[in-house]
Amino acid sequence: EVQLVESGGTLVQPGGSLRLSCAASGITFSDQHMDWVRQDPGKGLEWVARIRNRARSHTTEYAASVKGRFTVSRDDSQNSLYLQMNSLRTEDTAVYFCVSSRVGSVFDHWGQGTLVTVSS
Amino acid sequence: DIQMTQSPSSLSASVGDRVTITCRASQGIDNSLAWFQQKPGRAPKSLIYAASSLQSGVPSKFSGSRSGTEFTLTISSLQPEDFATYYCLQYLTYPFTFGPGTTVDFK
Repeated sequence: EVQLVESGGTLVQPGGSLRLSCAASGITFSDQHMDWVRQDPGKGLEWVARIRNRARSHTTEYAASVKGRFTVSRDDSQNSLYLQMNSLRTEDTAVYFCVSSRVGSVFDHWGQGTLVTVSS
Repeated sequence: DIQMTQSPSSLSASVGDRVTITCRASQGIDNSLAWFQQKPGRAPKSLIYAASSLQSGVPSKFSGSRSGTEFTLTISSLQPEDFATYYCLQYLTYPFTFGPGTTVDFK
């Protein structure tokens, strides 16, 4: 059974930093492209960032709204995905989902999400 | 960025109904279109990728099709567990973009 378990979400002040983690099991993690997708509570879905698999040299892509502030990384030896979030803004408040994609498909498996609240 | 629109934004249906949801891309995306189902308080679930390929374990009552830049998700016979919000996603180019969602509720 595939499991993606996010952690690290909490209340943080504007301008602050936070690191989200995602622990994966049940998949060959190093073969997967991994993404972060967020959802403002009660609203739609927004893609945040991607880190490609080992075969694609772990290259990254970012949404314009987070580029320069967020950094996605992974540790294939630990089957873990991370999102370093700096200079947080109130508009970054959302549930953040960790998502895996096998080659040839997209967003096959989703974690349960972790809530990040940016507020003073 | 590629804009995705969905219609309708919501619909009311009964058990056993055939339901069709449409997603339109602002430019060509080939077959790089996926569909997801989300229930309240839950993570989205993948239904279809590459416009018409069913994800493993997804029942065959779900199907997807494409005509140019218009994509359709069809549920052949709506069941109680299908009442949810459905989103499309284009993944041809970055940034990946989702449609705004279509909520299917009970008539």
